[in-house]
Amino acid sequence: EAQVTQNPRYLITVTGKKLTVTCSQNMNHEYMSWYRQDPGLGLRQIYYSMNVEVTDKGDVPEGYKVSRKEKRNFPLILESPSPNQTSLYFCASSLHHSNQPQHFGDGTRLSIL
Amino acid sequence: GDSVTQMEGPVTLSEEAFLTINCTYTATGYPSLFWYVQYPGEGLQLLLKATKADDKGSNKGFEATYRKETTSFHLEKGSVQVSDSAVYFCALSDSDNFNKFYFGSGTKLNVKP
Repeated sequence: EAQVTQNPRYLITVTGKKLTVTCSQNMNHEYMSWYRQDPGLGLRQIYYSMNVEVTDKGDVPEGYKVSRKEKRNFPLILESPSPNQTSLYFCASSLHHSNQPQHFGDGTRLSIL
Repeated sequence: GDSVTQMEGPVTLSEEAFLTINCTYTATGYPSLFWYVQYPGEGLQLLLKATKADDKGSNKGFEATYRKETTSFHLEKGSVQVSDSAVYFCALSDSDNFNKFYFGSGTKLNVKP
């Protein structure tokens, strides 16, 4: 089954404790992207990747890092999380770029205390 | 920069009523336009898209027409069902860079039997 898998689904942690949210897709997609969803703001793009070792900033990259060492994986790293990063996070992938249908994971709800 | 503005919700309708959700956009070039739908507890799914002016996207009884003169992409359905209850997001991909993606704030639709 074609899917985008995120882990964990839920996480409560404390300010400053580094965390990683994993994202994996099994569709051999080149393009992957991270979004955060906040009430009243919709989804905002954090980072995207066009292919292995090629990443770039979206609209709200501050406080986040990403890497793309393998085609299927695109982890989101919060080196020193802060309460304003409390949000619902979605990973998505598409064949080549965002102009094509994006497949979304089920989301990761992060709470930073 | 590019942006998407959607009508605020929630929108509450009775089954078989006509639905319109307004969406307007700001973009410097010729973006592609999308409607994504998010059912409770799930990630987003592509509902329909249009890639150039006057194109009509359609799927599952939903339609939207790309109107460049009014920079709009309003979502319509002639007869809604309870199963259409969800959050609907209008979105665009940047014509100068198809890797950047912008969502509206989302409109929650509640359909009552």
